[in-house]
Amino acid sequence: SAVISQKPSRDICQRGTSLTIQCQVDSQVTMMFWYRQQPGQSLTLIATANQGSEATYESGFVIDKFPISRPNLTFSTLTVSNMSPEDSSIYLCSVMGQVYEQYFGPGTRLTVT
Amino acid sequence: GENVEQHPSTLSVQEGDSAVIKCTYSDSASNYFPWYKQELGKRPQLIIDIRSNVGEKKDQRIAVTLNKTAKHFSLHITETQPEDSAVYFCAASPAGGYQKVTFGTGTKLQVIP
Repeated sequence: SAVISQKPSRDICQRGTSLTIQCQVDSQVTMMFWYRQQPGQSLTLIATANQGSEATYESGFVIDKFPISRPNLTFSTLTVSNMSPEDSSIYLCSVMGQVYEQYFGPGTRLTVT
Repeated sequence: GENVEQHPSTLSVQEGDSAVIKCTYSDSASNYFPWYKQELGKRPQLIIDIRSNVGEKKDQRIAVTLNKTAKHFSLHITETQPEDSAVYFCAASPAGGYQKVTFGTGTKLQVIP
């Protein structure tokens, strides 16, 4: 399985500011995803990060709030913009393996004060 | 879109007993069903998966069964151990093309020594 790293692992941010989360994979992957996991909740897909084109967002998530970049097949970033306390959550990137299985990064724990 | 329901939300068993977690899905196009284990503060880890051409799959103490007609699938853990304590998520996805994975709401399993 792919080795996935995320930076930062955690952060505490002021409301109104933005945070960019990085996801690095040790091998080229076609599909990369960004999820949000609120405390005690399940995983919610934010968007699919497409290499060379705009991300595909799920219902309830918009590009202005969660801009995503995917410059190559091993790297992606998710920005959480104009943060509010409701954005406090764990953000996880994931990649798809050879037979559709998904592997998750360690997550970024975000607290907005 | 796909809707995955998961039961129970919490489950306590004595060490050595079996645990069963059940999920139902709504989209008949789904044919890939992974299960993830998430320990406290850790990333979700894929523990077993099943595809629609298989009715049952086993890996040591873990087994998954699938009933495509009834649109439900289950996770069975036998001879439970304290290290099995975690939150378990089922998920469903169509294989081929855009692989959006829809997660269940999670089951918190506690194995009592």
